[in-house]
Amino acid sequence: EPEVTQTPSHQVTQMGQEVILRCVPISNHLYFYWYRQILGQKVEFLVSFYNNEISEKSEIFDDQFSVERPDGSNFTLKIRSTKLEDSAMYFCASSAVGASVGTDTQYFGPGTRLTVL
Amino acid sequence: GESVGLHLPTLSVQEGDNSIINCAYSNSASDYFIWYKQESGKGPQFIIDIRSNMDKRQGQRVTVLLNKTVKHLSLQIAATQPGDSAVYFCAEIISGGYQKVTFGIGTKLQVIP
Repeated sequence: EPEVTQTPSHQVTQMGQEVILRCVPISNHLYFYWYRQILGQKVEFLVSFYNNEISEKSEIFDDQFSVERPDGSNFTLKIRSTKLEDSAMYFCASSAVGASVGTDTQYFGPGTRLTVL
Repeated sequence: GESVGLHLPTLSVQEGDNSIINCAYSNSASDYFIWYKQESGKGPQFIIDIRSNMDKRQGQRVTVLLNKTVKHLSLQIAATQPGDSAVYFCAEIISGGYQKVTFGIGTKLQVIP
């Protein structure tokens, strides 16, 4: 069964450093997403990406965040200058169609736990 | 603001019994709803979805009921199995916009063998 993969599984970084979280979506999917879940809290939407551009983003996704699809398989989330409050589990997801089009089964990766010290 | 370390409501169910997990959504404009299952250490897993023009949708062993009048969503799991133990949460979406997605806090389902 196809699956979304994410690397690394755990990233520890110093405050102010840049981090790049990597995701390989399911190969025939066209819509890509990043979510985060602070420990013990709700899952929060960050950004959706389609056709090589951001289609939607939440208030959390400020100028410190960026996403990129550098090649045909990877989808990355970059945090330019990490803050303590960026510590969370970051989930990548992908889907074949978008929610506005039809039933949108999103497949989530296992997540990357980011710890900012 | 949100409290740190939400205490999830917990539902304990005997193996083989049916489970009903409830979710109250907040926005009457939401017209697409998804139930997710999240096992410990894993990402959310899509279970079933429903659009607001329906009030019931069935999948394999799962049924979602939508009551728009009271903004209530429920997930019914038939013949609950130990593998169903997880946190279940709903998400509400205003169609056309993932910036409007709102996730619930979740309910922890414990299946007693």
